[in-house]
Amino acid sequence: DGGITQSPKYLFRKEGQNVTLSCEQNLNHDAMYWYRQDPGQGLRLIYYSQIVNDFQKGDIAEGYSVSREKKESFPLTVTSAQKNPTAFYLCASSIIGFLGYTFGSGTRLTVV
Amino acid sequence: GENVEQHPSTLSVQEGDSAVIKCTYSDSASNYFPWYKQELGKRPQLIIDIRSNVGEKKDQRIAVTLNKTAKHFSLHITETQPEDSAVYFCAAVGNRDDKIIFGKGTRLHILP
Repeated sequence: DGGITQSPKYLFRKEGQNVTLSCEQNLNHDAMYWYRQDPGQGLRLIYYSQIVNDFQKGDIAEGYSVSREKKESFPLTVTSAQKNPTAFYLCASSIIGFLGYTFGSGTRLTVV
Repeated sequence: GENVEQHPSTLSVQEGDSAVIKCTYSDSASNYFPWYKQELGKRPQLIIDIRSNVGEKKDQRIAVTLNKTAKHFSLHITETQPEDSAVYFCAAVGNRDDKIIFGKGTRLHILP
């Protein structure tokens, strides 16, 4: 699906639970990113990684965690510390220095 | 860090008329400005971009202008069509890293 796959498409979480969103790319891109999208808020950067085993906080990292053990994979964990996790989550990847993002199709997370 | 402001948040234009969306950025070191189109329930797609060494770029009905001095850039869509209805995001990328900072988006409605 465009070389970057997010799963699941829809996810429901009970309050107090941690959930992990998957993002896999086969584009051989170095950099990967997680954005959160809320109505009227645009896309806000949660975490990004430009190299394996290294990642940086974005603007709204509190309550989230990531790992980058493989170049192809950048999973996002939404922890119970995230007070308002209901949102649409988008993963993206790019070649360092090329600047064009490829987006995944997104995961819609709902807290029930 | 970079901050991108986008206006208007909603825009309605008659089919066949032109639409203009404006953005400002704060970091004078930003050097790449992409525009994304997001249709309902889908991932953002890059539609046009401009680099800081260029003042204007055009691709068929879409054009982008950049004023580095004023830190303004704009998207122009001419002869609008129903399929242009979507949310449009402007963005800016600094030269210190490759992360994209997005504006909050403009919902464009093309009226029949």
